[in-house]
Order: sequence, then C-alpha cells, then structure tokens
Amino acid sequence: NAGVTQTPKFQVLKTGQSMTLQCAQDMNHNSMYWYRQDPGMGLRLIYYSASEGTTDKGEVPNGYNVSRLNKREFSLRLESAAPSQTSVYFCASSAPAGQPQHFGDGTRLSIL
Amino acid sequence: QQPVQSPQAVILREGEDAVINCSSSKALYSVHWYRQKHGEAPVFLMILLKGGEQKGHEKISASFNEKKQQSSLYLTASQLSYSGTYFCGTDSSNTGKLIFGQGTTLQVKP
Repeated sequence: NAGVTQTPKFQVLKTGQSMTLQCAQDMNHNSMYWYRQDPGMGLRLIYYSASEGTTDKGEVPNGYNVSRLNKREFSLRLESAAPSQTSVYFCASSAPAGQPQHFGDGTRLSIL
Repeated sequence: QQPVQSPQAVILREGEDAVINCSSSKALYSVHWYRQKHGEAPVFLMILLKGGEQKGHEKISASFNEKKQQSSLYLTASQLSYSGTYFCGTDSSNTGKLIFGQGTTLQVKP
C-alpha cells in the first residue's frame, strides 16, 4: 500500500542548480498538491492540480514550476535554486478537491 | 490569510482533555485538521464542512462555527500517542486549496 511516494527523500543543492522533485500516487486521486514546510512553521501551498492537465498557483509559487504528467504523477521543479528554498517539501493527493489529503513522506531539501 | 491557532503549545497528563482552536478572518467552506509527529508527514484527522457534515476520526471530535469562522478540536482522555503538532487548514472556495495555521504542539506525559 504505497499511497503517495516522493523522490528523492533528501537532496543537497548549490545555489543556482536546478532540480525536479517527483511525486506519484496510486490511489486514483484526481487532485494533487505541493507544499513546503519551514522549521517550526505550518504548511504553505506552492501549486496544486485539481485534475490531469490543470495546475494552479498556491500561496508561494514564485521560483517553482509544476507538471501534472498524468493522473498519477505531479512534479515540482526548481529552475535556479536559492537558499530561501531550503525546506521540507510535501506532496499530497485527494479524491477530489476538498476531501482528506494524503501526504507523502516529504523531501528534505538543503540549498547551500 | 493564515488562520490563527490557539494555544501555541499544550502539556497534558495522560487522561486529561484538551481543546485546540482555529480562527479565520475569511468565510470558510470547510476546515481540515491534521496531526504531524516530529519528522513525519501530516496525517488527516477530521474535516468539518459548511452545513454541519463531519468526516474523520472516531476518538476525536470537532466543531465548526460558520458564523464566527472558528473551529475547535476536542481531544478527550488523551493518550501518549496524541502527542504531536496539530494543524488546521481552511478552505474558502471548496477547491482543496488549504491555508494552514501555524500549528499547536501537544505533549502528553505519563
């Protein structure tokens, strides 16, 4: 029972490097989300996708791009990483929007 | 705008009760509650919908005052496993776009 799978689990980047965080869900959910969580803080929505082929900005979209590749997969790309993007990134899915969100284990990203 | 949670932190003994509050300045369609243990992913607890419907955990209850845009999470007869950080997430548009509060840290001691 995989649920929501995120890769990689840990990553260290240098300022200016690019990287794609991968997320896949096997629950046949329509909606998928990307959040970031900074130390001692709540979750902030970066982007979400209500269904395959659609994406929309959340609270903090600057510096990120997303791709909803198919119903299962939703990736998050940092084109030119900055130290301010050091955070834990969580992917989540729900069936449909407004239903309980199921979270992956997170990607811990450090940018030096 | 981020909802405000209170209190910021609570320390309980096993068996004691706790209430965590979540207040928004915006009209809400639903309120979601999640618990996160240190180093882990958030886990769904409860959804409260406009109109009174609730979905969630059997041993945890919650309320949603639509007029005041406030929700409260009630943890009764707390167990050690209840320890963690509790987040409310508010949805103003029924799109699933949640705005989360800053969290309430609950510690249950033996």
